[in-house]
Amino acid sequence: GENVEQHPSTLSVQEGDSAVIKCTYSDSASNYFPWYKQELGKGPQLIIDIRSNVGEKKDQRIAVTLNKTAKHFSLHITETQPEDSAVYFCAAPAGYSTLTFGKGTMLLVSP
Amino acid sequence: DAGVIQSPRHEVTEMGQEVTLRCKPISGHDYLFWYRQTMMRGLELLIYFNNNVPIDDSGMPEDRFSAKMPNASFSTLKIQPSEPRDSAVYFCASTPSPSGELFFGEGSRLTVL
Repeated sequence: GENVEQHPSTLSVQEGDSAVIKCTYSDSASNYFPWYKQELGKGPQLIIDIRSNVGEKKDQRIAVTLNKTAKHFSLHITETQPEDSAVYFCAAPAGYSTLTFGKGTMLLVSP
Repeated sequence: DAGVIQSPRHEVTEMGQEVTLRCKPISGHDYLFWYRQTMMRGLELLIYFNNNVPIDDSGMPEDRFSAKMPNASFSTLKIQPSEPRDSAVYFCASTPSPSGELFFGEGSRLTVL
């Protein structure tokens, strides 16, 4: 099955700095890579995703890049704000209908 | 739509007791998933349903765990008997598409003493 590794496990930045979270996956056939944000006491929520026919996708301050050759994808958050503080999960398909999630990255943005 | 609704939000029980967690998916979503979240193991898929039929239950830890979906608007995850190692947050999620966005509920935090 799919194996997803996520780094770092924790990340502390100052407000306004950029944050980068990286994930690797094992199944070269995977073609869909979502990122979820989980705030304290809530369920994960999709923030951005990318499919394998593109190398980069942006949505305001967040972007995701994909390198299929190296089998890794990254989440980039620019101009971080305190409300970006949360746990972020990457994921990759584990089969036709399911996802395997990374272990998560706790991002702390200090004012 | 109110989103995926889970109950209870918090459950504290003693070892050996039966626990039932409930989920109401978003109307029109044909896929329903049960996940378990712990610090050590992260988000683990337990079981998922398509059109009320269990498709893959390979993630269910053992026979103490069972899940049902009697109709399109309701699912239960039951643990009997419960053990301290079952303490975790259990999430239900639904989606209309097998390769699209998962919509998670707010989770049920289970503590087994």
